[in-house]
Amino acid sequence: GQQVMQIPQYQHVQEGEDFTTYCNSSTTLSNIQWYKQRPGGHPVFLIQLVKSGEVKKQKRLTFQFGEAKKNSSLHITATQTTDVGTYFCAGREWTGANNLFFGTGTRLTVIP
Amino acid sequence: AAGVIQSPRHLIKEKRETATLKCYPIPRHDTVYWYQQGPGQDPQFLISFYEKMQSDKGSIPDRFSAQQFSDYHSELNMSSLELGDSALYFCASSPLRDRGLTEAFFGQGTRLTVV
Repeated sequence: GQQVMQIPQYQHVQEGEDFTTYCNSSTTLSNIQWYKQRPGGHPVFLIQLVKSGEVKKQKRLTFQFGEAKKNSSLHITATQTTDVGTYFCAGREWTGANNLFFGTGTRLTVIP
Repeated sequence: AAGVIQSPRHLIKEKRETATLKCYPIPRHDTVYWYQQGPGQDPQFLISFYEKMQSDKGSIPDRFSAQQFSDYHSELNMSSLELGDSALYFCASSPLRDRGLTEAFFGQGTRLTVV
């Protein structure tokens, strides 16, 4: 079955430092989505990437989709305490699939 | 704006009992997903429905079943509960667009504790 791994599992950063999480799928994905889950909360959609090599930015967040559509990354510049949470990538194997598989997640802690 | 509504929010059951979790998707969303999230774990895909028909199955145990009704609400039925079933159960729905290119909106979850 499809496996989506993320590294690192945990990351502690000083406020103002940058943060990157990497997502790797065992299979080619049709698209990849990123979600953020605050402690005690539910996953909240951040962005979706569809095209090979696609790069999207949301303020301090930069998302990339690999050329082979098997990996992705999320980079946060100058972290803030509000960035605390677990970041998940989630992928679909093919367009129209309704089995959105989540990655293992990276839990980010920001030290003020 | 309306969100995905799950009930109950918390549920405590004894081993071998049954439990039913309910999910009310966002109006006009055509796809519903169920996920199980253990402590410190990622959400594990259980099952999904598209237009009231079962669409995809993930790691859903045989003791669990789910269905989507004519009003689009969905129920996850869990029987012969085990201690390991204790987890947060999320329901999510996706809007009526190209199914492969839409985000999932998650409910607040139902925290099931099996004692």
